[in-house]
Amino acid sequence: ETGVTQTPRHLVMGMTNKKSLKCEQHLGHNAMYWYKQSAKKPLELMFVYSLEERVENNSVPSRFSPECPNSSHLFLHLHTLQPEDSALYLCASSPRLAGDEQFFGPGTRLTVL
Amino acid sequence: AQSVTQLDSQVPVFEEAPVELRCNYSSSVSVYLFWYVQYPNQGLQLLLKYLSGSTLVKGINGFEAEFNKSQTSFHLRKPSVHISDTAEYFCAVRSLNDYKLSFGAGTTVTVRA
Repeated sequence: ETGVTQTPRHLVMGMTNKKSLKCEQHLGHNAMYWYKQSAKKPLELMFVYSLEERVENNSVPSRFSPECPNSSHLFLHLHTLQPEDSALYLCASSPRLAGDEQFFGPGTRLTVL
Repeated sequence: AQSVTQLDSQVPVFEEAPVELRCNYSSSVSVYLFWYVQYPNQGLQLLLKYLSGSTLVKGINGFEAEFNKSQTSFHLRKPSVHISDTAEYFCAVRSLNDYKLSFGAGTTVTVRA
């Protein structure tokens, strides 16, 4: 598999559930990103990791918890979400933290009931 | 900080007609500029980017964009669209030594036969 992959592609969860989103990049990149895409709003940067260290936590509620165990994998752990958290969650990676193009995965469509 | 305004939220266009998507940005520093395309149920794909040099940038799928520093614009054009160009298009900017992409809200292009 090439590029940036995300699983699951679709997720429906209740407000009391705990779930995780997974992102994997097969590009040998050192930086990985989580974005939230809501309808008709600009993409919002949530978290950034460089060489497995978090460099950005963009005022994201604590019900979202990222994890980067190695430079190829990025997780977003979800718990006690709200209906307004329903959105498309996009993962991206880039060769280095600054100065390079970001490559995006297909996203996970999350619906919180 | 930068901001991006995409002036048209929806652009309907007939097949084989030209299309222009408008993007204006504001920034106190020099920036790189990007156009991304998002096909239904997919992630973002880079169409083209302006880093330096010629202000007319050619990208994939026959798209081109022109950087106008005095007007702080980066409009995207295609002389003849296909049905397959139906997608959402995002303009984005980034300052030269930063990793944070600032996105516009997107323009939905619908190509009809």
